[in-house]
Amino acid sequence: TQLLEQSPQFLSIQEGENLTVYCNSSSVFSSLQWYRQEPGEGPVLLVTVVTGGEVKKLKRLTFQFGDARKDSSLHITAAQTGDTGLYLCAGAETAGSARQLTFGSGTQLTVLP
Amino acid sequence: NAGVTQTPKFRILKIGQSMTLQCAQDMNHNYMYWYRQDPGMGLKLIYYSVGAGITDKGEVPNGYNVSRSTTEDFPLRLELAAPSQTSVYFCASRPQGKSPQAFFGQGTRLTVV
Repeated sequence: TQLLEQSPQFLSIQEGENLTVYCNSSSVFSSLQWYRQEPGEGPVLLVTVVTGGEVKKLKRLTFQFGDARKDSSLHITAAQTGDTGLYLCAGAETAGSARQLTFGSGTQLTVLP
Repeated sequence: NAGVTQTPKFRILKIGQSMTLQCAQDMNHNYMYWYRQDPGMGLKLIYYSVGAGITDKGEVPNGYNVSRSTTEDFPLRLELAAPSQTSVYFCASRPQGKSPQAFFGQGTRLTVV
C-alpha cells in the first residue's frame, strides 16, 4: 500500500485569507485526485491530475501535481466559509489498471467569518 | 440516478455480534471499494474488488470479509464485532481506467458497544 501524507492536519483561517494544503508520498502515482467531504456525506471529487508538473484551476482553487508525480498541492485563494470541509487527496496505484485507490490522512479546513 | 447506495445508515452492535453492510451501485462499475473513516481522519481501505468474483485485501482487512457475486453488489461482513470497529464505513465504485472518478455512498455509521 502506498502512503499519502497530508499537511496540515487541521487548518483554521479567516474568510479572505489564502491557504495551501500539501499531499506527499515517497511513491509515484499514475494520477492523483483531490476530494472534498462535508459532514455526514461521502467525499466528492474536485479534480484529477495525471501529468507531472500539471496545474489545474477550478475558480479559486489551484491544484498542482509534482514533476516526479509523488506530491501535490491545493491552493485556495480568498477562502470563503463555504470552503469549510475535509480535503482528501487520493492516489491511483498503477498506471493502466489503477486498481487500488489510496487516500491521504485529510486536512480539516475551517474558514471563519 | 441512484449511484452508490449503502444500507443501513446507522447501526449499533454489541461486542461479538455480526452484521453485513450492504453496498449496491447501478453504474456498471468494475471497481468497488470499502473504506473506514475514523473521526476527523482520512479513509483507510479495507477491501476492494476489480470485478465479480475477484476481491483483494486493502490496508486494514482484519475482522472483515467481502464477497462480489455480481457487478452491482459488494457487501462487507463483520464477524465478532469489536469496539475498535466503531467507525463510519464508506463504499465506493469507479469504472476501470487510469484516473476515473470514484463515487461514494453516504456511509454507514457503526457503533460497537
